[in-house]
Order: sequence, then structure tokens, then C-alpha cells
Amino acid sequence: DVKVTQSSRYLVKRTGEKVFLECVQDMDHENMFWYRQDPGLGLRLIYFSYDVKMKEKGDIPEGYSVSREKKERFSLILESASTNQTSMYLCASSREGSRGRAYGYTFGSGTRLTVV
Amino acid sequence: AQKITQTQPGMFVQEKEAVTLDCTYDTSDPSYGLFWYKQPSSGEMIFLIYQGSYDQQNATEGRYSLNFQKARKSANLVISASQLGDSAMYFCAMMPLSGGYNKLIFGAGTRLAVHP
Repeated sequence: DVKVTQSSRYLVKRTGEKVFLECVQDMDHENMFWYRQDPGLGLRLIYFSYDVKMKEKGDIPEGYSVSREKKERFSLILESASTNQTSMYLCASSREGSRGRAYGYTFGSGTRLTVV
Repeated sequence: AQKITQTQPGMFVQEKEAVTLDCTYDTSDPSYGLFWYKQPSSGEMIFLIYQGSYDQQNATEGRYSLNFQKARKSANLVISASQLGDSAMYFCAMMPLSGGYNKLIFGAGTRLAVHP
């Protein structure tokens, strides 16, 4: 069964800590994404990667960085966690689309991060 | 600006009845894909249905159908014969295809409650 795996389901961290959220996919997908989900705001794109070592900012990259050293792994890093980064974080992957055809995402089960 | 609007924060329906969840989108891209995802309380995002902008017929997947009205830029999800297990958050999403990178833009979501 193909899947996207996020390393932690629940995480509690202190303000100022450096936080790593890990995501691994086994589908050989080119594209990987990190979203955060907040009530009333839907899912907002933080960063994405379309190839190893390549990354692009999404809509809300401030306070975050990412790393993709291998095709199957995409890490989200909170350099200095703050309380306003308390949220649900969702990782996703997708194959490369072609003109006229889009391919949806496969999502991980999410990491609920609380920063205290 | 590219945007998805879901105007119904919450909906309820009686079991076995049909329900329509509204979605409008805004894009200047001539080629795009439209998606609906379901998110139960467990947090996983489940792909439901896809509609391409050039598809002539409305998409259907079992009890799910997508009422695609291109001129009105709407992509409403119709769930027929609702079941208790349909209670969840539902997200409409759009993927513009011309710019590359397969980025999905999500709406704020609609919470559906199915009553027995």
C-alpha cells in the first residue's frame, strides 16, 4: 500500500526550540509539499520541492525552512518555534503532472504540533 | 489572484438524503484541475473526485459527483444517499497547470454532519 509517512502524530515543543518534522514517501514522486492547516483557513502551502535539493517558497514560508537531500524524504524545520506555529502540519507528495492533466496528492496523516 | 471559496462553514443532512457542497474558484489559467478531499476526524486527507478544466462531462465516483459549471467557475460536490460515515470536513482544491509545480490551492473547507 503506497503511503506518505510523517514521523510524529503529536508533538509538544517549547518556544525557541528547533523543531524537525519528517516526511517520507514510497511512491517515487517528484513533488513534495508541506502545508499547515488551521480552522477557518483551510490548508496553506509553506514550502514545496519538485526535485532533490530543490525547494520553492509557498504562501507562508516565514519562520520555516525545508530540506530534501533524498527523493523520498522532505523535512520541515522550524528554526525557533513560536506559539503562533501551533498547528496541524500535513505533508503530501504527487507525481509530475502533464499539460491538461493534474494528479492529486497523497497525504500523510498529519502532525499536530503544539508550541508552549 | 487564484482562489478557492467555500461559503458554507457547516452543513448538515439527514441520512440517505443528498447534499451539495459549494465551491467557486478564481483563476486566469486556461488549464486547471479541480479536486475534492474528505478529512474525517482522524485527520487523514482522502481524495474523492477530480475534474479537468477541459473535461466535457461532469466527473462521478460512486456516490460522489462534481457539478462543474465552467462559465460560472463553480465545482460543487454532490453526495447522494448520505451515510453517517460521510460526516467530515470537505475541501475543494484547484491546481493551475500552466505554471508548473503542481501546487494545490485549497478552500477553507465545509464541515458536514450527517444525522440519523
